[in-house]
Amino acid sequence: EDKVVQSPLSLVVHEGDTVTLNCSYEVTNFRSLLWYKQEKKAPTFLFMLTSSGIEKKSGRLSSILDKKELFSILNITATQTGDSAVYLCAVEGPYNTDKLIFGTGTRLQVFP
Amino acid sequence: GAVVSQHPSWVICKSGTSVKIECRSLDFQATTMFWYRQFPKQSLMLMATSNEGSKATYEQGVEKDKFLINHASLTLSTLTVTSAHPEDSSFYICSAILDRDNQPQHFGDGTRLSIL
Repeated sequence: EDKVVQSPLSLVVHEGDTVTLNCSYEVTNFRSLLWYKQEKKAPTFLFMLTSSGIEKKSGRLSSILDKKELFSILNITATQTGDSAVYLCAVEGPYNTDKLIFGTGTRLQVFP
Repeated sequence: GAVVSQHPSWVICKSGTSVKIECRSLDFQATTMFWYRQFPKQSLMLMATSNEGSKATYEQGVEKDKFLINHASLTLSTLTVTSAHPEDSSFYICSAILDRDNQPQHFGDGTRLSIL
């Protein structure tokens, strides 16, 4: 059965800390792995990863994929209170479709 | 770019009512849109894949007669929850994808449906 597992489920840190969020997957016909940030409404797109070992970076956020070990990490450096959200990992491609299978998410809370 | 608009954002209605939710891709054409459901503190669960000009593909366990999907144009898909009951109360989110390779799904802001 296809699945995406995220850890930790929740994380509480202080501003300025660095966090690493994990995502492991077992999906048939993997096409890509995506990270989204969800605050109060719908998810906003962060990264799309298709190749192993190539880091994607946007400001204080970065992500990398390991297709051999079937996992990805999302790093956030110098966290701010505005980073508080649920971070969702999703894998595209089961049965050669555009479908996404989502993990349960990591709830990050950043306190001043 | 890649903005997806969803309407309404919040609906409260009586049991037995049918509710229609619209999902529009504002600045791009989307042959494929997706409908998800999210319960509190849970992740998104795909309900169906909406294909322009053809029937939607429903995930296992989703009643197609209960959740009617119409994708009449390249920029609009609608989800109608027919004869809604309290157990249908949830957060419904749509997404759309550009018709090009290696494009992410972009999500609407979601519709919170509360059935009394």
